[in-house]
This record gives sequence, C-alpha cells and structure tokens, in this order.
Amino acid sequence: NAGVTQTPKFRVLKTGQSMTLLCAQDMNHEYMYWYRQDPGMGLRLIHYSVGEGTTAKGEVPDGYNVSRLKKQNFLLGLESAAPSQTSVYFCASRPLRTGELFFGEGSRLTVL
Amino acid sequence: GQQLNQSPQSMFIQEGEDVSMNCTSSSIFNTWLWYKQDPGEGPVLLIALYKAGELTSNGRLTAQFGITRKDSFLNISASIPSDVGIYFCAGRPRGGKLIFGQGTELSVKP
Repeated sequence: NAGVTQTPKFRVLKTGQSMTLLCAQDMNHEYMYWYRQDPGMGLRLIHYSVGEGTTAKGEVPDGYNVSRLKKQNFLLGLESAAPSQTSVYFCASRPLRTGELFFGEGSRLTVL
Repeated sequence: GQQLNQSPQSMFIQEGEDVSMNCTSSSIFNTWLWYKQDPGEGPVLLIALYKAGELTSNGRLTAQFGITRKDSFLNISASIPSDVGIYFCAGRPRGGKLIFGQGTELSVKP
C-alpha cells in the first residue's frame, strides 16, 4: 500500500540552486496538491492540480512551479531556491467525489 | 479571506484524561476533516464530517459538525501516550478549497 510517495525525503540546497520534488500516487486520484508546513503557520497550499495537464495557484505560489504530465505524478520545482523556502513540503491527493486528502510523508528542504 | 481558528494551540495532559479541541470559521463550511500528524510524518485522516449536526466516532475519538456549520470539535477520551502529536482541523466551504487550522499540539504524560 504505497499511497502517496514523495522523493526526496531530505535535501539541503544553497541559495540560487534549483531542484524538483516528485510526488507519486497509486490511488488513481484526480486531484493533487502541494503544501508547505512551517512552525505556527499550519499547512499552506502552494499549487494544485484538478487533473492531468492542469495546474493552478494556491495560497503561496511565488517561487514555485509545478507540472502534472501524468495523472499519478505531480512535480514541484524551485528554480532559484531562497532561504525563505526552507520548510517541510507535503504532497496530497484526493478522489473526485470526496473531500478527504491523503498525504505523503513529507520532504524536508533546507536552503542555506 | 476565510479564516479557521483552532484552539487550544497546545495541551499538556495526564494519561487517562479526556481531551477536547475545536475549530471555528468565519464562514459556512460543507466539510470538516480532522487529521493527526505524528512527528516526522504526514497528516493522517481521523474523521470526516459532511453534514451539519453529524456526530462521528472512531474508537476513542469523537468529532461533531456544528449546527451553525461554522465550527467543529474533536474529543479524545481516556488519552494514552500514543495520542501525542499535532491535530489539525480542516474545512471546505461550498465550491472552495480546503483550509487548515493552525493545529493543536497534544502532549500526554504517562
């Protein structure tokens, strides 16, 4: 039972470097999401996708890009990492007909 | 914009005690969800509520969808050490996106 899988789990970047976080789900869910979690801020939505080939901005999209070329994968990219992007990133997915999100285990990113 | 207030922010209780936490919103929600997050893990869904007044249990956990549709609470009875973690409420207004509360951090002393 893989569910939602995120890679990598940990990464350290220098300011200005780029990287991509990969999220894969094996539940055939239509919707996928990327959140960031910071102390005292709860979960904030970065970008989301309502289906293959479509993406939309969330609450805090600046500095991030996403792509959903395949239904099961949702990629989060940082083109030029900044220290403010140090956070724990969570991917989530949900089926079309319910509101219940299923989360991955998180990816901890540190930008020096 | 819509806001979700979750309280308390943290709780320190003795094993065996009951726990109560709640969330209130500034607008009407169609869905309330309660999640638990263990250290180093992603949030896991505990209870989902879809109807005003709905009361749902999952073992020692009970959650209710408030009649006004602007609040929800979660109760944990007879707490045990493995209840430690952060509990999040999340609500969705009609046609809108899911909004998360700030979380309630629960500590249980054996």
